[in-house]
Amino acid sequence: EVQLVESGGGLVQPGGSLRLSCAASGFTLSTYWMSWVRQAPGKGPEWVANIKQDGSEKYYLESVKGRFTISRDNTKNSLYLQMSSLRAEDTAVYYCARYGNPGGWFDPWGQGTLVTVSS
Amino acid sequence: DVQMTQSPSSVSASVGDRVTITCRASQGISSWLTWYQQKPGKAPKLLIYAASSLQSGVPSRFSGSASGTEFTLTISSLQPEDFATYYCQQANSFPLTFGGGTKVEIK
Repeated sequence: EVQLVESGGGLVQPGGSLRLSCAASGFTLSTYWMSWVRQAPGKGPEWVANIKQDGSEKYYLESVKGRFTISRDNTKNSLYLQMSSLRAEDTAVYYCARYGNPGGWFDPWGQGTLVTVSS
Repeated sequence: DVQMTQSPSSVSASVGDRVTITCRASQGISSWLTWYQQKPGKAPKLLIYAASSLQSGVPSRFSGSASGTEFTLTISSLQPEDFATYYCQQANSFPLTFGGGTKVEIK
């Protein structure tokens, strides 16, 4: 069964940092683009970042450029999102998702991890 | 950025009704349009990809179509498990963007 499990969320103060992890199982991580998508409370999903199979290409939402870094370790079947200079507006459930390329769909998604930025 | 305008934002319908949701892109996106279903507290679930291709395991009452920059998700006969929020998403260019969502509620 294809599965993605996120971890690392929590409460952090504005300006703080957090590292999210996503453990993949049931498929070969190294053959897929991967993504992070977030969803603020009561809002729709918002794409955050994409990374190519070998990590050679990365794309970011403009509002997180320079603050967030997506990375992967295919040997550990893991995806990461390093977040720094966090703001209140970064508060959301963060999902990792497998990205279909070409096609551009997210499937499957993990269960999500909640990041709350508040003092 | 490509803006995705979804309508209506909510719809009240009964079991057995035909429901149509529309998503309009602010510019051409070819067929790079995906539809998702989301239930409260759960992650979105892929329904339709490439505008009209049904994801494996998704009931055939769901269908998608496209005309220019207008995309449609149709539920032919609404079932109790279909009450949820539906989102469209474009992948023609970065940043990847979602529509605002359509909540399908029980009438």
